[in-house]
Amino acid sequence: EPEVTQTPSHQVTQMGQEVILRCVPISNHLYFYWYRQILGQKVEFLVSFYNNEISEKSEIFDDQFSVERPDGSNFTLKIRSTKLEDSAMYFCASSKDSMGTGELFFGEGSRLTVL
Amino acid sequence: DQQVKQNSPSLSVQEGRISILNCDYTNSMFDYFLWYKKYPAEGPTFLISISSIKDKNEDGRFTVFLNKSAKHLSLHIVPSQPGDSAVYFCAASSNSGGSNYKLTFGKGTLLTVNP
Repeated sequence: EPEVTQTPSHQVTQMGQEVILRCVPISNHLYFYWYRQILGQKVEFLVSFYNNEISEKSEIFDDQFSVERPDGSNFTLKIRSTKLEDSAMYFCASSKDSMGTGELFFGEGSRLTVL
Repeated sequence: DQQVKQNSPSLSVQEGRISILNCDYTNSMFDYFLWYKKYPAEGPTFLISISSIKDKNEDGRFTVFLNKSAKHLSLHIVPSQPGDSAVYFCAASSNSGGSNYKLTFGKGTLLTVNP
């Protein structure tokens, strides 16, 4: 069964460093998303991406965050200068289209720890 | 800002019995509701959804009920099986926002099904 894959599974970084989280969405999917879950809190929407541009973003997704799909397969989330509060599990997701049952396919997540 | 609330952090039931997971929401603009299941070290997996024009949707052992006037939905699992033990997230979206997939999640309920 096709799946969304994410790397790395866990990254530890120093505050102020840049981090890139990578995702390979399901191949015939067109919409891509990043969500995050801070420990003990709810899963939060960060950004959605379609046709090589951001279609929607939350207030969390400030100038420190960026996304791109540089080679048509990888979908990346970059955090320019990490802060302690960026420590969270980051989930990539993809879907065939933006309408329908709401079935997003999530990856297993990348745990980011900022020291 | 808890637009989607799952007031029970945990629920324990016996195998074969019914599990009822509850969810309340405050945003009247939500028109699509979903349940996701999450095992440790995995991403959320779509389980079942319901549109606001319906009050019930059934898929095998899983049934979701929606009470729009009370802004309440519930997930019934019957009969419950030990493999159902997981965290269950309630999520909601608003089509008027342009994307069915900007999901607002609750904090989750940990279901434990005892053999």
